[in-house]
Amino acid sequence: AQSVTQLGSHVSVSEGALVLLRCNYSSSVPPYLFWYVQYPNQGLQLLLKYTTGATLVKGINGFEAEFKKSETSFHLTKPSAHMSDAAEYFCAVTFTGTASKLTFGTGTRLQVTL
Amino acid sequence: EAQVTQNPRYLITVTGKKLTVTCSQNMNHEYMSWYRQDPGLGLRQIYYSMNVEVTDKGDVPEGYKVSRKEKRNFPLILESPSPNQTSLYFCASSPPGGRFAYEQYFGPGTRLTVT
Repeated sequence: AQSVTQLGSHVSVSEGALVLLRCNYSSSVPPYLFWYVQYPNQGLQLLLKYTTGATLVKGINGFEAEFKKSETSFHLTKPSAHMSDAAEYFCAVTFTGTASKLTFGTGTRLQVTL
Repeated sequence: EAQVTQNPRYLITVTGKKLTVTCSQNMNHEYMSWYRQDPGLGLRQIYYSMNVEVTDKGDVPEGYKVSRKEKRNFPLILESPSPNQTSLYFCASSPPGGRFAYEQYFGPGTRLTVT
């Protein structure tokens, strides 16, 4: 069965510092991987996705993630945090032929301090 | 504007009183899903639908029902709500293929409290 693990339920960074949110997946077949962001009192918005091709994926708001098959990881990064990045971030996985079945991690709440 | 809408956004009800949360999408997506979000547990899929009249259980289907009689609508039914169904509920839709394949578009959420 597919699963996703997000290390760290809360991450705090200073404004301007590197953001690193960790995601590891478990799968016996090639995965499709996603990062979603949830701002307070809002629904989820897609940040970026990996399906096939280039393993370094760029998303919105300056975020990017790299698919590393050998490490079964899909960590989310941003070179310089902004106050507006404070939100909850979810990693999710699905597979070919199961587009309706998305398995989410438990989420990481990002706090950005001055 | 392409969107997924849910109603109501907030609902407080009592144990055992049947309720329906509506979900509608205007993107002509085949796939639709319901999730519940609980602190520390992330989002868990309740039910999903791959097309009209085709539905299946997700990870936490107990106590819920769904129907898909029209492509755009996917209501979630709680026939006898209980306090452990107090949660934040999201509806989502996605296309089965193409450039945006596998991307799920989420509604704004429905916060349900069962007392």
